[in-house]
Amino acid sequence: QSVLTQPPSVSGAPGQRVTISCTGSSSNIGAGFDVHWYQQLPGTAPKLLIYTNSNRPSGVPDRISGSKSGTSASLAITGLQAEDEADYFCQSFDSSLSGSVFGTGTKVTVL
Amino acid sequence: QLQLQESGPGLVKPSETLSLTCSVSGGSITSSRYYWGWIRQPPGKGLEWIGNIYYSGTTYYNPSLKSRVTLSVDTSKNQFSLKLTSMTAADTAVYYCARLYDTSGWVDSWGQGTLVTVSS
Repeated sequence: QSVLTQPPSVSGAPGQRVTISCTGSSSNIGAGFDVHWYQQLPGTAPKLLIYTNSNRPSGVPDRISGSKSGTSASLAITGLQAEDEADYFCQSFDSSLSGSVFGTGTKVTVL
Repeated sequence: QLQLQESGPGLVKPSETLSLTCSVSGGSITSSRYYWGWIRQPPGKGLEWIGNIYYSGTTYYNPSLKSRVTLSVDTSKNQFSLKLTSMTAADTAVYYCARLYDTSGWVDSWGQGTLVTVSS
């Protein structure tokens, strides 16, 4: 039931930069609601990476950044490391649901 | 440090009701601005929001599940609970309890998740 669209997969060599897009609509991101990002390692619960579009919780390295524009948002990982190999999800609020919506998820592979 | 822990059956029969409880430790369930929610993830798939509850009892449900879902909170036990009726195989998933900053905000704390399988 995801209404936020992400690419299924992205990949990059160690040290490279990858970006993950999150495309919504006028009832969620386009309505001005904030976007948040999570990293999920296999078999574990998601972990908050970015909140309110571009803010990092303590402990998240500054090589991870987020941005938002119009009906889309992006997550960028620079200086790609093996430990970044995981699934990534975006989240926003949808006014038609009066609740949270999540992205379809993107698997990041480090080549 | 805030910790959330789900408890409940790992196996539910079709048509039966799932009951899960989330126990909160290291913080109060009555903290203002925080909502308590349930999110599920079918095996190999994405995340689906089920619903949120505030400590006062105010609830928000995913419209696609609203007819089958009930959330409740017990402030005396620092717990909140999920009931999902008429379970089918499509409800097989890892169920996470979570704390959200405001009903439209981010999840800053997750339970470890509990796998619920629907099978006879």
